[in-house]
Amino acid sequence: QLQLQESGPGLVKPSETLSLTCTVSGGSISSSNYYWGWIRQPPGKGLEEIASIYYTGNTYYNPSLKSRVTISIDTSKNQFSLKLNSVTAADTAVYFCARQFHLGNYPDYFDFWGQGTLVTVSS
Amino acid sequence: DIQMTQSPSTLSASVGDRVTITCRASQSISTWLAWYQQKPGKAPKLLIYGASSLQSGVPSRFSGSGSGTEFTLTINSLQPDDFATYYCQHYDSYGTFGQGTKLEIK
Repeated sequence: QLQLQESGPGLVKPSETLSLTCTVSGGSISSSNYYWGWIRQPPGKGLEEIASIYYTGNTYYNPSLKSRVTISIDTSKNQFSLKLNSVTAADTAVYFCARQFHLGNYPDYFDFWGQGTLVTVSS
Repeated sequence: DIQMTQSPSTLSASVGDRVTITCRASQSISTWLAWYQQKPGKAPKLLIYGASSLQSGVPSRFSGSGSGTEFTLTINSLQPDDFATYYCQHYDSYGTFGQGTKLEIK
């Protein structure tokens, strides 16, 4: 049974870097059929995709966040990670990692999600 | 950038009703559209992909239609478990979600 588990600090200070890791179990992160992505949801608000990565290292970023985001992958550990720098209170959100089906040129829909982790930006 | 707009923002309905949620794209997106259901405190769950393909394990009372710029999610014979928030998503080089539709009990 596929499982995705987010991990990382639940509290980050303003101007610092938010770092999260998603550990994938029950399946290989090196599958050619999937990208792996991060999505966030501020409290009481909607969903925003942040970035996606393929096992080869190919990446896609939300243009609105691209200047502050780095997504990376470690196939040996079956993990992928997110770094968001220069955070502000506006980056407070539940951060989800998810598997993203891939058939054509781009990542497709998210078919399997982690439970999410709340990250609060506050001093 | 392509914008996704859902309507209505809130929908009140009763068990047994048939409901429809609409998602409009600011430009044509063919059928690169998915629908998700989200309950409070939980991750979203994929319902529909490719605008009309039902994800495995999702009840057949859920259906999706549309192409181009206008899409609908229909739920036939609402069940108590269906009261949740629904999101559409256009997927491309990066995904763009609609703002969500909260389906509440009348």
